[in-house]
Amino acid sequence: GENVEQHPSTLSVQEGDSAVIKCTYSDSASNYFPWYKQELGKRPQLIIDIRSNVGEKKDQRIAVTLNKTAKHFSLHITETQPEDSAVYFCAASRAIVGKLIFGQGTTLQVKP
Amino acid sequence: NAGVTQTPKFQVLKTGQSMTLQCAQDMNHNSMYWYRQDPGMGLRLIYYSASEGTTDKGEVPNGYNVSRLNKREFSLRLESAAPSQTSVYFCASSAGQGIGNTIYFGEGSWLTVV
Repeated sequence: GENVEQHPSTLSVQEGDSAVIKCTYSDSASNYFPWYKQELGKRPQLIIDIRSNVGEKKDQRIAVTLNKTAKHFSLHITETQPEDSAVYFCAASRAIVGKLIFGQGTTLQVKP
Repeated sequence: NAGVTQTPKFQVLKTGQSMTLQCAQDMNHNSMYWYRQDPGMGLRLIYYSASEGTTDKGEVPNGYNVSRLNKREFSLRLESAAPSQTSVYFCASSAGQGIGNTIYFGEGSWLTVV
């Protein structure tokens, strides 16, 4: 079946450093790739998304890149801050925005 | 503006009991979704409703039923709860089902089956 693999499962960085999380998807028809941030006990929060007709998208300290040929996409966070500490999930879908396949999550810890 | 509201927030069930999770949205959205999230994992889609009067299976529909009561409400029913259904359940909605619509999540319902 359709699958999204996410790496690493945990990531620890110093405040101010960059963090990169990578995902690989199996369904070549996927055309929508959102990233969610989830704090403990809270709902997922959309932080950035990208569609298959775009290779890169940036929003302040957050950027996402997409390589359709290799079927992988990445989240880049620059100048990390302690409040960036959370679990991050990538996801992929095609046609139906809510029919998402999620990755397993990455626990990001930003040390002050 | 409440957004997506789920009830109950916490529930403990005994194996074999039934219960219904309620979800309502006040954003006049057409599409609604139910997901489950097991510890240390991403969300998995249980059922969705593209519009009032329609429902479709998602990735993990076994053991669940849904009802799109009206445009606002989308309920999830466990007919005979099993320990494997212990999870956090999230309801969500979007204006439409096509790519480009934003998904809005409820706060989640923590369900424990003992």
